[in-house]
Amino acid sequence: QKEVEQNSGPLSVPEGAIASLNCTYSDRGSQSFFWYRQYSGKSPELIMFIYSNGDKEDGRFTAQLNKASQYVSLLIRDSQPSDSATYLCAVSSAGGFKTIFGAGTRLFVKA
Amino acid sequence: GAGVSQSPSNKVTEKGKDVELRCDPISGHTALYWYRQRLGQGLEFLIYFQGNSAPDKSGLPSDRFSAERTGESVSTLTIQRTQQEDSAVYLCASSLELAGADTQYFGPGTRLTVL
Repeated sequence: QKEVEQNSGPLSVPEGAIASLNCTYSDRGSQSFFWYRQYSGKSPELIMFIYSNGDKEDGRFTAQLNKASQYVSLLIRDSQPSDSATYLCAVSSAGGFKTIFGAGTRLFVKA
Repeated sequence: GAGVSQSPSNKVTEKGKDVELRCDPISGHTALYWYRQRLGQGLEFLIYFQGNSAPDKSGLPSDRFSAERTGESVSTLTIQRTQQEDSAVYLCASSLELAGADTQYFGPGTRLTVL
């Protein structure tokens, strides 16, 4: 079992819709959870991080964490074509020193 | 301030040659990571440096790969006797060593092509 799993996609949504990206992880001791966005040919950049169970909202983005289910998700409201990218889920153990990345989900937002 | 920088941006080499990739982290960042990303794939962890602690080398794929870091600054990743399967983008990232706040800032990467 991979340590951090994501559906590779592609996930295709129409402009204005909600995009839902999911991630599961295997290490129950994981403490920190991150979502990075990577445009084609570019380096990853941080969108959000979350540490506590529940929801965390930042603009059009909402991260959701359920440690009991070992599940973290990212919702993108009012999706825009500029949101088309690969979204990487990353998980750190206690202390946040070693971060494991998922393989990423490709998102396409159709105009 | 300046972000993470990497050099060279592109490197084309012949099979069997050695290559050295350089990473300059953000000033003050104590943690430094190297990743490999093959075309269309996710990030593959290679090695992690944290201050003066022994590096975590658990991700290095073979003994042809090695990395060093000078204090809390520059790091070099060396690949000896390169193989075609080493072709990938090599990404470096740095972060502040704050528990629970391990946000990584990535450099632009070095695209390595082994002919």
